[in-house]
Amino acid sequence: AQSVTQLDSHVSVSEGTPVLLRCNYSSSYSPSLFWYVQHPNKGLQLLLKYTSAATLVKGINGFEAEFKKSETSFHLTKPSAHMSDAAEYFCVVKVKSGANNLFFGTGTRLTVIP
Amino acid sequence: DTEVTQTPKHLVMGMTNKKSLKCEQHMGHRAMYWYKQKAKKPPELMFVYSYEKLSINESVPSRFSPECPNSSLLNLHLHALQPEDSALYLCASSQGIVNTEAFFGQGTRLTVV
Repeated sequence: AQSVTQLDSHVSVSEGTPVLLRCNYSSSYSPSLFWYVQHPNKGLQLLLKYTSAATLVKGINGFEAEFKKSETSFHLTKPSAHMSDAAEYFCVVKVKSGANNLFFGTGTRLTVIP
Repeated sequence: DTEVTQTPKHLVMGMTNKKSLKCEQHMGHRAMYWYKQKAKKPPELMFVYSYEKLSINESVPSRFSPECPNSSLLNLHLHALQPEDSALYLCASSQGIVNTEAFFGQGTRLTVV
């Protein structure tokens, strides 16, 4: 069975401080993992992806994530938050078998305080 | 071109109306998807098309009718909707179904009155 757990529904940080959005997954297969960002009333934009290559993945806008198989985690980080980072973030797991193989976490809303 | 384009951006329709949502991509992707997203919730998969054939229908009511006229276009025909169908409808595409990322459009904000 596959599932994704985003441990925090809401994270609030001050501008210029680090961001940590947590994601744990369970998968019967070797997964591909993604982080998407969604600004209000917008579609989802891919931030980064892990597909069994390097475990530390760099994405757009200064975000990165580390795949840790032993912890079944794929946490998203950024060294310094910017006001424009305020949005909803979804962790998504994709498995190799089965057509309906995109599983979304429930989302984390990031608030950036000036 | 790495965009998925959805039209219209906003749609208000009555419960007796018939309308269509449109989605277009020119990335050569062979899988296309419709998702429904309610406020403060993750997207929920509705339909998957693979090579222009419907491969997944997630038990969606028949008042939603998908159509894939060609490899670049995906439509969602709407008829006799209910107010609870009001949501953001997202189209996505991917190179294939397995192990590739999905690219999302900006969505159509649908309000049923």
